[in-house]
Amino acid sequence: GEDVEQSLFLSVREGDSSVINCTYTDSSSTYLYWYKQEPGAGLQLLTYIFSNMDMKQDQRLTVLLNKKDKHLSLRIADTQTGDSAIYFCAESNGYGGSQGNLIFGKGTKLSVKP
Amino acid sequence: KAGVTQTPRYLIKTRGQQVTLSCSPISGHRSVSWYQQTPGQGLQFLFEYFSETQRNKGNFPGRFSGRQFSNSRSEMNVSTLELGDSALYLCASSLASGNVETQYFGPGTRLLVL
Repeated sequence: GEDVEQSLFLSVREGDSSVINCTYTDSSSTYLYWYKQEPGAGLQLLTYIFSNMDMKQDQRLTVLLNKKDKHLSLRIADTQTGDSAIYFCAESNGYGGSQGNLIFGKGTKLSVKP
Repeated sequence: KAGVTQTPRYLIKTRGQQVTLSCSPISGHRSVSWYQQTPGQGLQFLFEYFSETQRNKGNFPGRFSGRQFSNSRSEMNVSTLELGDSALYLCASSLASGNVETQYFGPGTRLLVL
């Protein structure tokens, strides 16, 4: 069945890079997503990558996808205290239609120390 | 554009009662999805509505139901509440962009069942 795994915690110092890892099981997944959730808030879409891509960069965010190993990572450069949040990896195999069925990991809590 | 709005933001109910949660999507969005978030199970997909029709449903008991109106606003209902229904209920509306649709989440309704 579909499953998404993430480590639960990550602690870094301000200014360092953070790397959050995720593994997924559904090889038919078309899109993979990273969401951010701050305390008491909903989910904010950070970025997504199509499964035929290896890398996507968006300002301080870099997503790497290893489709053979079904491994996805999110790198945050120059991590700031405002990046402290829970980060969710999600997969979806939708194509051409609303991807209403996202499968989420349990989330990685990123703590940034000043 | 206004974001996804959910009402109420907080709710306290007792076991056996029923509850109705409301979600107003981003203007122009026609798809609304609902998710339940708990510390134990994480984020789980409940159901998705598009043009007033349920398109997709997760593995939840029949006590959980929903509907969508002609203006795309959606409601979800939980009958005969149980303690385990205490959760953050997130609604998301979908934006079509070519073949890639992304979901934008609301802030959620936090339900506490006593």
